[in-house]
Amino acid sequence: EVQLLESGGGLVQPGGSLRLSCAGSGFSFSSYAMSWVRQAPGKGLEWISGTSGSDEITNYADSVKGRFTIFRDNSKKTLYLQMNSLGVDDTAVYFCVKEAEVVPTIRGRFELWGQGTLVTVSP
Amino acid sequence: DVQMTQSPSSLSASVGDRVTITCRASQSVGTYLNWYQQKPGKAPQLLIYATSTLRSGVPSRFSGSGSGTDFTLTISRLQPEDFATYFCQQSYSSWTFGPGTKVEIK
Repeated sequence: EVQLLESGGGLVQPGGSLRLSCAGSGFSFSSYAMSWVRQAPGKGLEWISGTSGSDEITNYADSVKGRFTIFRDNSKKTLYLQMNSLGVDDTAVYFCVKEAEVVPTIRGRFELWGQGTLVTVSP
Repeated sequence: DVQMTQSPSSLSASVGDRVTITCRASQSVGTYLNWYQQKPGKAPQLLIYATSTLRSGVPSRFSGSGSGTDFTLTISRLQPEDFATYFCQQSYSSWTFGPGTKVEIK
């Protein structure tokens, strides 16, 4: 079965750090660009970061640039998001998403989503 | 960044109704416009990509149209499983989503 499974969410204090993981299965993980999209409680969707299949090209939204780092280990079929200097505005469900096509970089057609992992930033 | 807006923010409709949701971009995104459906507590699912191409398995009652800055998602005959929130998303320049339109049961 083709799926993505996130983990690593939880409660963290402002200023703290957290690392999210996303394990892919059922597809050629290294062939696809991957992204993280988050959704604050009751709010809309925000793309925050993406990486090419080879991990050579990474992109970040301004809201997380300099604080978050996306990377992947294709041998483990796992995508990561290292989140530092977390603030209350980072509270959200974080989704791992896969591109629809085998393309060199992020194209923004998010075909497969994980179930999401909740990150809560609170004192 | 390209800003996306949607209207209405919510609507009430009955099974069998025709529903239209509008999405507008702050600048032209060509036909790089996708639509997602999200049900409560679930991850979004891609419905339509490149403005009007239905993802495999999506019922034909869904359709998309538009270009440039103005786009439309239409559900021709609303079914019980279609009550959800719909998001548009542009993939022309970076990747931004609209705020969503919640389709509720009348």
